[in-house]
Amino acid sequence: QVQLVQSGAEVKKPGSSVKLPCKTSGGALRGYSITWVRQAPGQGLEWMGRIFPLVGVADYAQKFQGRVTISADRSTSTAYIAYMELSSLRSEDTAVYYCAIEAAAGPFDPWGQGTLVTVSS
Amino acid sequence: EIVLTQSPGTLSLSPGERATLSCRASQSVRSTYLAWYQHKPGQAPRLLIHSTSSRATGIPDRFSGSGSGTDFTLTISRLEPEDFAVYSCQQYDTSPITFGGGTKVEIK
Repeated sequence: QVQLVQSGAEVKKPGSSVKLPCKTSGGALRGYSITWVRQAPGQGLEWMGRIFPLVGVADYAQKFQGRVTISADRSTSTAYIAYMELSSLRSEDTAVYYCAIEAAAGPFDPWGQGTLVTVSS
Repeated sequence: EIVLTQSPGTLSLSPGERATLSCRASQSVRSTYLAWYQHKPGQAPRLLIHSTSSRATGIPDRFSGSGSGTDFTLTISRLEPEDFAVYSCQQYDTSPITFGGGTKVEIK
């Protein structure tokens, strides 16, 4: 069973960037992608983008195009570290950011525990 | 993009009662591509149902999903104390993947 571990909370200034890691273990992820979702306070879940770690190809929701970069490094044959970098942060980016495993044309399962990012001056 | 509207926003029920949650899509979603998640504060969201009606591994059979086209339903037949949480629907039929705003099931 694949597991995902995310880092602790971060506080960022408006205009800065944040780069969040997501460590996976327990699976080779063949045919799967690592996907990123956020949830702002009082809002629903919002898909941001994904990366196919075996080939290093990423795609993004149009809303975040130009501001988000998702990448992945292979630690071992069954472990990866995915990164989600969001730039030009504004207060509306305050949210919990989750990574998850996405099956090809499938749901998200499992999820990481989330990282709270607070954007405040 | 496909907008998913969940209702009600909050459902106040007692343990043992039946919960019926609705998810309405702005355009048709193929049944294979509709999922439901449960999430609790400070925890990772958990996949409950995929492909409209298939329970994920380890999900008890009191959870069931149904629907087609633009109207989908998650039913919890008898609420257990651990079921009080927020539930979100998701469509992964058409990019971008979208989620509903969530229904909070709270203890009455």
